[in-house]
Amino acid sequence: DAGVTQSPTHLIKTRGQQVTLRCSPKSGHDTVSWYQQALGQGPQFIFQYYEEEERQRGNFPDRFSGHQFPNYSSELNVNALLLGDSALYLCASSSSRGVNTEAFFGQGTRLTVV
Amino acid sequence: AQSVTQLDSQVPVFEEAPVELRCNYSSSVSVYLFWYVQYPNQGLQLLLKYLSGSTLVKGINGFEAEFNKSQTSFHLRKPSVHISDTAEYFCAVRPMHRSNTGKLIFGQGTTLQVKP
Repeated sequence: DAGVTQSPTHLIKTRGQQVTLRCSPKSGHDTVSWYQQALGQGPQFIFQYYEEEERQRGNFPDRFSGHQFPNYSSELNVNALLLGDSALYLCASSSSRGVNTEAFFGQGTRLTVV
Repeated sequence: AQSVTQLDSQVPVFEEAPVELRCNYSSSVSVYLFWYVQYPNQGLQLLLKYLSGSTLVKGINGFEAEFNKSQTSFHLRKPSVHISDTAEYFCAVRPMHRSNTGKLIFGQGTTLQVKP
């Protein structure tokens, strides 16, 4: 089992550009959540996808959007990048079956906006 | 709404000494509680979780935590730390609703620095 995989591992973008980050969930998981972790901070919940729809959203602007595919993999898109978007972006997968399930995290994508 | 407060941003400790990392939370609904560890340049790994039952929870790598509902705390402990325990530790809560399987609310983190 490969666990949760994210790509790319590192990315450098220029202010104003757009970026797409990718996540493949752990085998058997159908729910994907995205988090932003700024340097020295705890992860902040961006949104959660289940059944190809956004189910919950944290306090992030509409520049942050996502998608979930039929194979449960997911993308995070960020438009009009700001310097403040520089962070580690973490993907977590979990199962909707049963309430006592834990979230498994990927290694993250380090985004640097210059 | 939920919030998590980790009371210490950094905890320096000598190898083989005991350690406690403190976590308090606030929530208007019932929550599950978690501790995660993050090694440099890596993602998060689950150390332990409290879902129900015994308030003393044992996790991996010799860590344990005690849930105190009256004090809304979930402190993490280890009786004897190793150099390899040096990492960032995050306390997190998750609302007890099935649709919230992924929505975790994290504290700011505590850096555990184990010195030889």
